[in-house]
Amino acid sequence: NAGVMQNPRHLVRRRGQEARLRCSPMKGHSHVYWYRQLPEEGLKFMVYLQKENIIDESGMPKERFSAEFPKEGPSILRIQQVVRGDSAAYFCASSTGTSYEQYFGPGTRLTVT
Amino acid sequence: ILNVEQSPQSLHVQEGDSTNFTCSFPSSNFYALHWYRWETAKSPEALFVMTLNGDEKKKGRISATLNTKEGYSYLYIKGSQPEDSATYLCALSPSGGNNRLAFGKGNQVVVIP
Repeated sequence: NAGVMQNPRHLVRRRGQEARLRCSPMKGHSHVYWYRQLPEEGLKFMVYLQKENIIDESGMPKERFSAEFPKEGPSILRIQQVVRGDSAAYFCASSTGTSYEQYFGPGTRLTVT
Repeated sequence: ILNVEQSPQSLHVQEGDSTNFTCSFPSSNFYALHWYRWETAKSPEALFVMTLNGDEKKKGRISATLNTKEGYSYLYIKGSQPEDSATYLCALSPSGGNNRLAFGKGNQVVVIP
């Protein structure tokens, strides 16, 4: 059973470009969470999604950030018009929804130049 | 904002010695407490999930205890080995049914051979 997959592992974008981060949850998991780790900070919750629904986006910046988890395919975290402050490691986790446990992917390290 | 505190932030341990560290959280807003082990460039690995006051969990040489009344959890490593070198993350699932995790900054452990 493959774990949570994230790609790309490293992403470099220039200011103003768009960044798309993908997360494929573990098989059988229908709940996805995105977290962000800024330099010198702990992991911070961004958004919680179930298939085709956003359940909680209280941790998402109000502008430029969006997330989706379509019926088919991976969850996507999209950052439009990236700025240097978006440089961080973005982690995805998945769960079955009936368990407390969340399983994490290896993260995508975004660098904005 | 849920404040999850971990101490000490980093520690060096001689191989063979035992060590422990602390996670503190607001006891009024508790649903579950998670410990993860995180090696650089890898996915955070789930160690324990605890929900009941007085819970004790063990995995090999690593164990954890939980006190929900006073809002803390201890993680113990017995007979530290170099492969125990990692960052140990504590995370709180708050009450309310939403499983977003609030993380501490981690305890970075370096085991010296």
